[in-house]
Formats: sequence, C-alpha cells, structure tokens
Amino acid sequence: GDSVTQMEGPVTLSEEAFLTINCTYTATGYPSLFWYVQYPGEGLQLLLKATKADDKGSNKGFEATYRKETTSFHLEKGSVQVSDSAVYFCALSDPGSGTYKYIFGTGTRLKVLA
Amino acid sequence: GAVVSQHPSRVICKSGTSVKIECRSLDFQATTMFWYRQFPKQSLMLMATSNEGSKATYEQGVEKDKFLINHASLTLSTLTVTSAHPEDSSFYICSAWRESYNEQFFGPGTRLTVL
Repeated sequence: GDSVTQMEGPVTLSEEAFLTINCTYTATGYPSLFWYVQYPGEGLQLLLKATKADDKGSNKGFEATYRKETTSFHLEKGSVQVSDSAVYFCALSDPGSGTYKYIFGTGTRLKVLA
Repeated sequence: GAVVSQHPSRVICKSGTSVKIECRSLDFQATTMFWYRQFPKQSLMLMATSNEGSKATYEQGVEKDKFLINHASLTLSTLTVTSAHPEDSSFYICSAWRESYNEQFFGPGTRLTVL
C-alpha cells in the first residue's frame, strides 16, 4: 500500500543554517504531496503542497519539489529561524484510491537555536 | 481561507464518563470529515472517516462502540469517547475535506485528559 518515509529527528540547527528534511513515498497512483507544520500544543497547518510531478511548492521560505523519478518531496529552507522550531509532517493523498485519506510520515522535530 | 474549528480545545474528565468533541467546517460544506488521534511525539493515526448522512468508516483496530462518530450535517461531525479511561487520554484532531481544494483542512485539536 501507499506509504511515506521521513528522516528521523530531532534535527537541531543554528539560526540561519540550511534545512533539509527528507521525505520519500510509495504510491500506486499519482498522489498529491504535502508538508504540514505543527507547533507545540496546536493542530496541523499546511505549509506547502504539490499535486503533480515537477511541481514546486513554496511558502514562508520553505520549498519542496515533487520528484517522481526519485519518489521524493524533500523540504528545504535556506535560512532557518528560531520560530521555525516545530514538528514537520510529510503526507500524501492518492486520489486514485477512491478515498480522501492522507498517509502521514512519522514527523521530524526541528529545533533551531539562537 | 477555510477554517475548521474544534470544541472544546481541552477537556478533563473522570474515568467512566463520556466526552463529546465537535468538529465544524466554518465556511464550507464537508460531506467527508476525518478523526485522528495523536500520541505525544508521534504522528497522526487515522481513526475513522466520517460521512455525512451515513455511518462512519473505522480504521482497523479502532473500537466503533468506544469512539462514536456522528456526521449529522454538512458542517458538523462529533466524536464521542464513551466510558473514557486514562488510556484514552490523547490529542484528537479532526479534518474536513474541501472538494474545491481537493484537500483536507485541519482543526486545531482537542486535548483530552482522563483522570
């Protein structure tokens, strides 16, 4: 079945460092891919998404490109801030499955130090 | 943008009592909503898919008699945790499917603590 694999955390970076959080997926169809962010004690906020191969999602300095050839959707940011400290979830939705379910990765905790 | 609300945001109850959590889509209609459970420092686990006007579809291993779901209108789904026990303490998150966006929109979550 469909699955999402994220890199293990926690990831600790200094402010202004470059961030990469790896995400790979397996899907039988043509999924949509998402990155969500969760701050402590809160729900999920959509960070960015991509719905087809080679699409690049971007928001708040974060970017991710839908790579069909490597089945990846890695999250990147050129210069992280302390306020980016949160848990990041990669997810996929496979419209071809006939449901609207999301498959989530395990989440990657990011801690940014001043 | 679309907003999904949950009520209450926090609830503390005694063991053996039932607790109802509401999930509302505030500016769109949702025939399909989802209920998730999240344990500390873990990912979201889908509990069930809530379908307006019909029975919910539960994921494997989720007790349907324990977690009652009702989706009586296009903007409201409720999750009732019946005869709650301390092991039911968790963070419960709902989402609503918005057809025009082809995307789920998530609520802010409800923290349930059972004493």
